[in-house]
Amino acid sequence: DAMVIQNPRYQVTQFGKPVTLSCSQTLNHNVMYWYQQKSSQAPKLLFHYYDKDFNNEADTPDNFQSRRPNTSFCFLDIRSPGLGDAAMYLCATSRDSGGAETQYFGPGTRLLVL
Amino acid sequence: GQNIDQPTEMTATEGAIVQINCTYQTSGFNGLFWYQQHAGEAPTFLSYNVLDGLEEKGRFSSFLSRSKGYSYLLLKELQMKDSASYLCAVMDSNYQLIWGAGTKLIIKP
Repeated sequence: DAMVIQNPRYQVTQFGKPVTLSCSQTLNHNVMYWYQQKSSQAPKLLFHYYDKDFNNEADTPDNFQSRRPNTSFCFLDIRSPGLGDAAMYLCATSRDSGGAETQYFGPGTRLLVL
Repeated sequence: GQNIDQPTEMTATEGAIVQINCTYQTSGFNGLFWYQQHAGEAPTFLSYNVLDGLEEKGRFSSFLSRSKGYSYLLLKELQMKDSASYLCAVMDSNYQLIWGAGTKLIIKP
């Protein structure tokens, strides 16, 4: 089945210790997104790639970086996690970026910062 | 600013019907999405509306009025598994998806 896969499902890190979350997709979609979602809040878009073109949201902290080495994989690097970065991190893909393009989500990685 | 409003929480009874409302103010409009999100899981796509009117898909229907900046999601014959958060999201003129905070729906037997 075509899908969006995120690993790991749960990640525990220490305050200030770099962490990388990974996402892969078998849908062959052009666009990949990273969202941060805290409890009972809307998903917050951090950045997205249209193919290799990187698009950073204006209010995404510099602490968050991303890499997309190929069509299938995308990584979220948090350079120095703080307690406020504990959240669910959702990866999503869409075939294109037009109006009717549905975003398909992976199962998410829940990050805990100790 | 851009804004999506939906009730924080709703309660309904198994077998009944519930309507979840969403109002929006965005810079432009390129469609409205409804997603279902079970606790601790990722959102899953339910429906997309870009023209006024009702779209029916099994037990779920979604309605849009662009002139009123209003949509609702109608769930019929509620089942316990429908207990989840329902997120409304609008695609703006820049093709950015603006998300609501979601409505937590609690189904009681």
